Amino acid sequence: DAGVIQSPRHEVTEMGQEVTLRCKPISGHNSLFWYRQTMMRGLELLIYFNNNVPIDDSGMPEDRFSAKMPNASFSTLKIQPSEPRDSAVYFCASSSGVLGQGYEQYFGPGTRLTVT
Amino acid sequence: GENVEQHPSTLSVQEGDSAVIKCTYSDSASNYFPWYKQELGKGPQLIIDIRSNVGEKKDQRIAVTLNKTAKHFSLHITETQPEDSAVYFCAANYGQNFVFGPGTRLSVLP
Repeated sequence: DAGVIQSPRHEVTEMGQEVTLRCKPISGHNSLFWYRQTMMRGLELLIYFNNNVPIDDSGMPEDRFSAKMPNASFSTLKIQPSEPRDSAVYFCASSSGVLGQGYEQYFGPGTRLTVT
Repeated sequence: GENVEQHPSTLSVQEGDSAVIKCTYSDSASNYFPWYKQELGKGPQLIIDIRSNVGEKKDQRIAVTLNKTAKHFSLHITETQPEDSAVYFCAANYGQNFVFGPGTRLSVLP
């Protein structure tokens, strides 16, 4: 298996622009997670999907952030408009079970976002 | 909300020595505690986990211990090797959420 696939690996954009991050989970996994990693705040769970349905989006920082999972093999995280404080590494992870119930999360390589 | 503390933030050991990283959690209902290793430029990777019905678990050079009464758990790495150098994160489940500790940067000196 190729593992969790994320694209792009690096994104540099100007403040105010729309940014879309993409994720392909591991085939057969029914849970998908978006995380943000920064030096100041560490790893933060942004949103969690189970069977393509958003279960918990309480970690989404504000309305500028949105996430979708139109099918079991694809998810997007969109930031519109982007701001410099959104600069971070964004990870997508997938799992074969429910969050927190002991099913391993497999992380993708991450997307490094820089907003200037 | 759930809070996971992790200490130390940085740790340097000589190759062959042991390394211990400790975490504490706040929610007594938490029952799943994984440890992740993150190498530079990569995503975190699960290295070992423990559930609340077990006090200790071992996998080759890595072991994790859990004290539910005190709400803390620890990662033990024995006979450290240079390839163990990385950032290690503990985590705990919290309802429908999952909270990571701030991480420990481990450096194994040859």
